[in-house]
Amino acid sequence: KAGVTQTPRYLIKTRGQQVTLSCSPISGHRSVSWYQQTPGQGLQFLFEYFSETQRNKGNFPGRFSGRQFSNSRSEMNVSTLELGDSALYLCASTLLPQSTDTQYFGPGTRLTVL
Amino acid sequence: GQQLNQSPQSMFIQEGEDVSMNCTSSSIFNTWLWYKQEPGEGPVLLIALYKAGELTSNGRLTAQFGITRKDSFLNISASIPSDVGIYFCAGRVNQAGTALIFGKGTTLSVSS
Repeated sequence: KAGVTQTPRYLIKTRGQQVTLSCSPISGHRSVSWYQQTPGQGLQFLFEYFSETQRNKGNFPGRFSGRQFSNSRSEMNVSTLELGDSALYLCASTLLPQSTDTQYFGPGTRLTVL
Repeated sequence: GQQLNQSPQSMFIQEGEDVSMNCTSSSIFNTWLWYKQEPGEGPVLLIALYKAGELTSNGRLTAQFGITRKDSFLNISASIPSDVGIYFCAGRVNQAGTALIFGKGTTLSVSS
């Protein structure tokens, strides 16, 4: 069974630009969560999607948004990029968004903002 | 909001030594997870714990769900060089649909 895939793996953007990252969950998994990982803050939860609906949202500004498609694939978008948005963006999938489910992570997209 | 305090922040050990790390919280969790992350990769799930007091092993790794439900421990026995990486604890509070909260990680270095 293929794991969680994320594209692209690396991305370089400049301040003010926008970026879209993609995540394909494990086959059969319907819940997708996004995290931002930085050396200083560690892993921080961005949002979770299930059945094309956002179920949870972390404490990030409105420049960070996401969506989920009917095939469970998810995208996240960051608009008006800032230097501080440089991070590893991780996507994780679970079968269902239940409290006992474990999450399986993709390899991440490394975003560098210049 | 909830926070997980993970310690130690880093460890430098010799091959063959045992390792212990832990996570504590002021909140009650109903799920504890331990992940390992290697450079350039996403975290990989090592052990999942669902019941207070539960002790679960995965090879040389053993993790425990604290009986107070506010802490968890991970032990690695007889460390080897490939154990190098960042180990994260993660927990979910006792409410369905809530997000995982992660500790800041323990960076493990093993010298041979």
